Amino acid sequence: GAVVSQHPSWVICKSGTSVKIECRSLDFQATTMFWYRQFPKQSLMLMATSNEGSKATYEQGVEKDKFLINHASLTLSTLTVTSAHPEDSSFYICSAFASGTSGGQYFGAGTRLSVL
Amino acid sequence: GESVGLHLPTLSVQEGDNSIINCAYSNSASDYFIWYKQESGKGPQFIIDIRSNMDKRQGQRVTVLLNKTVKHLSLQIAATQPGDSAVYFCAENTGRRALTFGSGTRLQVQP
Repeated sequence: GAVVSQHPSWVICKSGTSVKIECRSLDFQATTMFWYRQFPKQSLMLMATSNEGSKATYEQGVEKDKFLINHASLTLSTLTVTSAHPEDSSFYICSAFASGTSGGQYFGAGTRLSVL
Repeated sequence: GESVGLHLPTLSVQEGDNSIINCAYSNSASDYFIWYKQESGKGPQFIIDIRSNMDKRQGQRVTVLLNKTVKHLSLQIAATQPGDSAVYFCAENTGRRALTFGSGTRLQVQP
């Protein structure tokens, strides 16, 4: 099956710093990737849709200047949390839509972000 | 707004029993549904999917049932094993390929 790799799996940073999370499709090309955020004991909430070669589409309430998304190639999307604050601590998960499949998405293993 | 929700937050079953996890959805235009399993600290793992032109689909030890009349989705796990313990989410494809997730049900399998 399709594999999505996410890195790092866990990151701790100081308040005010920026953190970059990478999402790679290893054996397929993904023109569209998605970024979700999951707080403890809650469901996944879509943050933004990452489109290769164009601007990301952000969900209502998600600050585009704070959560920078770059999808520069068909196999890589990055999410940068800028000026991170403790309330940004969460589990960030990416997924990729594989063309030719039934419509399901393949998820990365997630990144646990802890902002001190 | 439209949402996908679950009836039971926690389900506890005995090993070997069958499990049934339920999900209600509100977007009548949805045409594709997926069940995911998520273990602690990991990303969602695809279990099974179903399109709206079907009412039942079977996989290995799992069956998904779709009742469009009452907008209800269920996941049945046969002969539940300790390794099945996890949080299960139903998800709805909104047509723009992003997924809307339900609130999740934690399945606890008692040995």
